[in-house]
Amino acid sequence: QKEVEQNSGPLSVPEGAIASLNCTYSDRVSQSFFWYRQYSGKSPELIMSIYSNGDKEDGRFTAQLNKASQYVSLLIRDSQPSDSATYLCAVEGWGNGNKLVFGAGTILRVKS
Amino acid sequence: DAGVTQSPTHLIKTRGQHVTLRCSPISGHKSVSWYQQVLGQGPQFIFQYYEKEERGRGNFPDRFSARQFPNYSSELNVNALLLGDSALYLCASSPGGPVYEQYFGPGTRLTVT
Repeated sequence: QKEVEQNSGPLSVPEGAIASLNCTYSDRVSQSFFWYRQYSGKSPELIMSIYSNGDKEDGRFTAQLNKASQYVSLLIRDSQPSDSATYLCAVEGWGNGNKLVFGAGTILRVKS
Repeated sequence: DAGVTQSPTHLIKTRGQHVTLRCSPISGHKSVSWYQQVLGQGPQFIFQYYEKEERGRGNFPDRFSARQFPNYSSELNVNALLLGDSALYLCASSPGGPVYEQYFGPGTRLTVT
C-alpha cells in the first residue's frame, strides 16, 4: 500500500466549476498535510497547509482534513484555465526528520 | 525577498561521473531538504539538514551524500552516476523546528547519458 495515494486523473472540469481533489494516507501518526501545485516543467509551489480536522479556506482554495478517515481534500472554486496543473498531496512523515511524503499527483485540466 | 535558489539549472553527465548540486535557502530558514522527482511521480525525500546536522535520510544508496554549511546553504553530491539518477532534484527550505511548511527551489534537471 502506498503511503499517500491520489487519483492520477486527469480530472477535467469546465471553467467556473468546482474542482475536487482527493488524497488518502496510511500513517495514522501524521499531523501535517500540504497541497502543492506543479506546472509542467516547474517545481512544486505550496498552496495550502492544514493541521487540524475540518476546513481551511484561502481565497478560492479550501483544504479539508479528516484524520479519522485518513483523508485530505482540496477544493478549488471558480476554476480557471490557469489552475490547470498537477496537484501534489504531501504528508509530513514522522520518525525521519520532518520529511514530506508525496502522492504521485492529480492532473487537473480546466477547460474554457 | 529572494526565494530558494539552486544551481545549476540543467546538467548533463555521463554514467560513472559524480555531480554536485547546490542550494541556498530562503533568508532566515535553517532547514534544507533534498528531493528527487522522476517524471510522473511525486518528489521523493533524500535528505534533511537542520542547523548543519543531518536530521533525516531517505531510502537512497550511499552514493548520495549531502552537507549543510554555516550559512545554511547546502550541497547534494551523487557519485558513480547511473542512468536511473536522471531526474529533477529539488531543494526545499523551511524555518525548521516545529514549522513544517517547505518551499521549493526551481530544481536542477540532471540528465545522465
